[in-house]
Amino acid sequence: DAGVTQSPTHLIKTRGQHVTLRCSPISGHKSVSWYQQVLGQGPQFIFQYYEKEERGRGNFPDRFSARQFPNYSSELNVNALLLGDSALYLCASSLLAGNTEAFFGQGTRLTVV
Amino acid sequence: AQTVTQSQPEMSVQEAETVTLSCTYDTSESNYYLFWYKQPPSRQMILVIRQEAYKQQNATENRFSVNFQKAAKSFSLKISDSQLGDTAMYFCAFTLMDSNYQLIWGAGTKLIIKP
Repeated sequence: DAGVTQSPTHLIKTRGQHVTLRCSPISGHKSVSWYQQVLGQGPQFIFQYYEKEERGRGNFPDRFSARQFPNYSSELNVNALLLGDSALYLCASSLLAGNTEAFFGQGTRLTVV
Repeated sequence: AQTVTQSQPEMSVQEAETVTLSCTYDTSESNYYLFWYKQPPSRQMILVIRQEAYKQQNATENRFSVNFQKAAKSFSLKISDSQLGDTAMYFCAFTLMDSNYQLIWGAGTKLIIKP
């Protein structure tokens, strides 16, 4: 069975640009969460979606947005990129809304120059 | 505010030795789950062990076990018979049993197993 897949694995963007990151959860999982992991730190919660509805939002500016599609895949969008947005973006899927057993993808490494 | 503190930025031990990683957390809630995740150079977070706060019995998974002290808000991870493949970043995290379900993470401990 395929695990959580994220695309792309790496990308480089220029300040001010927009970026879209994608995540496909494990088959049958209905919840997707997004985390930002800055180098040398633990992940920070950005969003959680369950059954296509936003269930939680972390302390991130409105430049960050996300959505979940009918097939439960998800996109994370970041507008007006800043140098400080450079990080590893992790997607986690779980069967239900509770992250009591969350499975992570390998992340997308975003570098903003 | 909910926080997780891992006081050991880096640890190293010889292969086959036992190592204990420390974690303390702060929450006023009583219902939550605690986790240890491993992040190897491949970057993927891998669940090592999970503990429900309402269970007094410490969780174990093969060579991995925890010492959960709820009153002290302490959740340490013990790795027995350490192996070279255990080399990784280890993160302590918890989630509250509310509608948000976000994972709150520590800063991590870099564990190096030496041959």
